[in-house]
Amino acid sequence: TQLLEQSPQFLSIQEGENLTVYCNSSSVFSSLQWYRQEPGEGPVLLVTVVTGGEVKKLKRLTFQFGDARKDSSLHITAAQTGDTGLYLCAPRNAGNMLTFGGGTRLMVKP
Amino acid sequence: DAGITQSPRHKVTETGTPVTLRCHQTENHRYMYWYRQDPGHGLRLIHYSYGVKDTDKGEVSDGYSVSRSKTEDFLLTLESATSSQTSVYFCAIQDGHNQPQHFGDGTRLSIL
Repeated sequence: TQLLEQSPQFLSIQEGENLTVYCNSSSVFSSLQWYRQEPGEGPVLLVTVVTGGEVKKLKRLTFQFGDARKDSSLHITAAQTGDTGLYLCAPRNAGNMLTFGGGTRLMVKP
Repeated sequence: DAGITQSPRHKVTETGTPVTLRCHQTENHRYMYWYRQDPGHGLRLIHYSYGVKDTDKGEVSDGYSVSRSKTEDFLLTLESATSSQTSVYFCAIQDGHNQPQHFGDGTRLSIL
């Protein structure tokens, strides 16, 4: 069974601060997706990373896939209140199935 | 937003009653999925479908059944609802193998 851990579980910061959240597993992934979910809504896809060592940027968000494809990180620069939400990582296994972590709940205060 | 509609959005029912949740897509995507989301457990896969009349079990399939008679519709049925099935249910669609999944806005189901 693939073990998937996201950390921290909760994070509360002030607007303008930087932060990094992590997604770690005991298994190698074929790819990994990051989602953000807001209350009362479904998860919304942010990015897919596929290659070990890959870095993708989406405005103030930087996503990195570990060289061994077992872990990933999401770094947010100068957080804004609109970044508040639940961040979910979802690695894909060789069988085309996604496994979801418990998520990091981010609160950005004005 | 991807063209995914879940219905109903909210439902309250009693233990032992049958419940059917509907997921409708306008994207003509091949793959469809049902997940449940509970505090402390994240999203867990209930059932999924590779195409019309082609379905399979996920991680937490006990007590649930599904049907897909048309590409656009994927139904999730609780034959006899139990309180442990109180949850938020999400449908997701996926175009092809290894493509990203896109989610509906969920159905909040409470079983009393």
